[in-house]
Amino acid sequence: GQNIDQPTEMTATEGAIVQINCTYQTSGFNGLFWYQQHAGEAPTFLSYNVLDGLEEKGRFSSFLSRSKGYSYLLLKELQMKDSASYLCAVSYSGAGSYQLTFGKGTKLSVIP
Amino acid sequence: DGGITQSPKYLFRKEGQNVTLSCEQNLNHDAMYWYRQDPGQGLRLIYYSQIVNDFQKGDIAEGYSVSREKKESFPLTVTSAQKNPTAFYLCASSMNFRHRDGYTFGSGTRLTVV
Repeated sequence: GQNIDQPTEMTATEGAIVQINCTYQTSGFNGLFWYQQHAGEAPTFLSYNVLDGLEEKGRFSSFLSRSKGYSYLLLKELQMKDSASYLCAVSYSGAGSYQLTFGKGTKLSVIP
Repeated sequence: DGGITQSPKYLFRKEGQNVTLSCEQNLNHDAMYWYRQDPGQGLRLIYYSQIVNDFQKGDIAEGYSVSREKKESFPLTVTSAQKNPTAFYLCASSMNFRHRDGYTFGSGTRLTVV
């Protein structure tokens, strides 16, 4: 089965750095995604990791350790617009294709 | 521009009524999905379809039905059997075997029972 855990809420200060952790147990692992979702809107793609290590994309970075079943999303130079929910999603092999299983999301509040 | 369109954005349903949520994509994606999102629950899979004329139940399919007669369209019907239908519904699509692209999501439909 698939089980994904991430913190429910986090608060951080504008200009600071925040790390959102995600742990998972799944079979047929194909990769891990992070999505950003503002309230009442569609999730949007942030990052994808399939190999161990750090992927950097501007102010956002994502790390994966497959042996530990662990990932984190790092947000630098926080801005007020970064207040949103961040969804960790694991890709696993299905019958002839793949599917994503989502964590419950971490609601990040950025304060002045 | 290619994308995935959900309509309507807001929908109100009376008790005992069936309603249908629309989802259309012009991305030439093979697979389409329906998720339900409740506060504190994350995204829960209702139904998915990997190919035209075929679909599979997800984790919470009871009280819902779907069809996939065209590649571009994957409508979701919320039936009167669904006991607690008030939620935010998200449709998504993806290309089979291109998993690093992930899913593309529609903008969602917020359904309220009145």
